Amino acid sequence: NAGVTQTPKFQVLKTGQSMTLQCAQDMNHEYMSWYRQDPGMGLRLIHYSVGAGITDQGEVPNGYNVSRSTTEDFPLRLLSAAPSQTSVYFCASRYTQNQPQHFGDGTRLSIL
Amino acid sequence: KNQVEQSPQSLIILEGKNCTLQCNYTVSPFSNLRWYKQDTGRGPVSLTIMTFSENTKSNGRYTATLDADTKQSSLHITASQLSDSASYICVVSDSGTYKYIFGTGTRLKVLA
Repeated sequence: NAGVTQTPKFQVLKTGQSMTLQCAQDMNHEYMSWYRQDPGMGLRLIHYSVGAGITDQGEVPNGYNVSRSTTEDFPLRLLSAAPSQTSVYFCASRYTQNQPQHFGDGTRLSIL
Repeated sequence: KNQVEQSPQSLIILEGKNCTLQCNYTVSPFSNLRWYKQDTGRGPVSLTIMTFSENTKSNGRYTATLDADTKQSSLHITASQLSDSASYICVVSDSGTYKYIFGTGTRLKVLA
């Protein structure tokens, strides 16, 4: 099993550009989440999903969109990139609410 | 406000020595507490998970303790190895929302 796969691993964007961060898991997990990790701060929840077709906002959702058309995939879209969105983005999945989260290895995003 | 605080921020020890990392939280109502290990450039990996009724959980050389009354947890690493060099993140789940509150982590460096 590949676990949670994130692509790309690195990306540089210009302010105002849009892009999609991909996340796929092969463990048939219902719960998937997107986090951002910034220096000196804990991981912060951007958006999450409790199953295909169901998404909800987390702690810092502004500037990001998500969709969940399949159990496996949970892409994160930056609508109009801003320097404040420079961060490392992690996707995570878990089977049930009380199971450990499995994280991908992150996408390192720089906005110039 | 739900918070998770970890100490120390960073720690340097010699290979073979033991160390203890601390986590204090104010999350209520409490569901569970997890410790994650995050290697540089990788996503977090779950080490232990403890519910309200558990006060000790081991995973190899890693032993986590939980005092739900004082809202404190510790992670003890025995006979440290170079591969233990990483950030260790304490995460507490809120049983009302099942969302996770992340600490900022303790960065551990093990020297030969």
